[in-house]
Amino acid sequence: AQKITQTQPGMFVQEKEAVTLDCTYDTSDQSYGLFWYKQPSSGEMIFLIYQGSYDEQNATEGRYSLNFQKARKSANLVISASQLGDSAMYFCLLYSGAGSYQLTFGKGTKLSVIP
Amino acid sequence: KAGVTQTPRYLIKTRGQQVTLSCSPISGHRSVSWYQQTPGQGLQFLFEYFSETQRNKGNFPGRFSGRQFSNSRSEMNVSTLELGDSALYLCASSNAEKTYEQYFGPGTRLTVT
Repeated sequence: AQKITQTQPGMFVQEKEAVTLDCTYDTSDQSYGLFWYKQPSSGEMIFLIYQGSYDEQNATEGRYSLNFQKARKSANLVISASQLGDSAMYFCLLYSGAGSYQLTFGKGTKLSVIP
Repeated sequence: KAGVTQTPRYLIKTRGQQVTLSCSPISGHRSVSWYQQTPGQGLQFLFEYFSETQRNKGNFPGRFSGRQFSNSRSEMNVSTLELGDSALYLCASSNAEKTYEQYFGPGTRLTVT
């Protein structure tokens, strides 16, 4: 069975500082993908970053980077230079299988950026 | 490109009724997935449609069903509504080559009274 764990229900960060949101996962599949999505209070899920299990380099997208440690089964999201607009829920998602795939979301982390 | 659209955005129904939600994917996307988000259970995968066929299904009762039309638009139906069906229902679309890269709509907030 697949599992995603986000251990931080809520976090605070000072504006312009970096913050790391934790995500650990468990899957028996060799091929899988890890995603991070942002959900502002409006409700829409916004894709941030993707890491494939066979990608050797950590994914980066602007201020977002994914610290992928395969042996430890962790895929932490790092947000550099936090902005007030980064205040939102952040979800880690595990995707595995092909064709009949499985999708598992973490419970999310609520990030609050303090001015 | 226009994003994923969902209608209606808000809906109030009473127990026992049925409801149909609609999702229009990004142009060219053939895969549409549906999710339920509640404070207690978080985000849960309902099902995915690809080329008018249900390709994947989560662990939800048969009261939850869906379909996809030839233009890739999808509808989700919930029959015999229960109070616990109150949730944000999100739809996401993706293209055939990258079904894992999902683009979400704004969601439909369903309240069952």
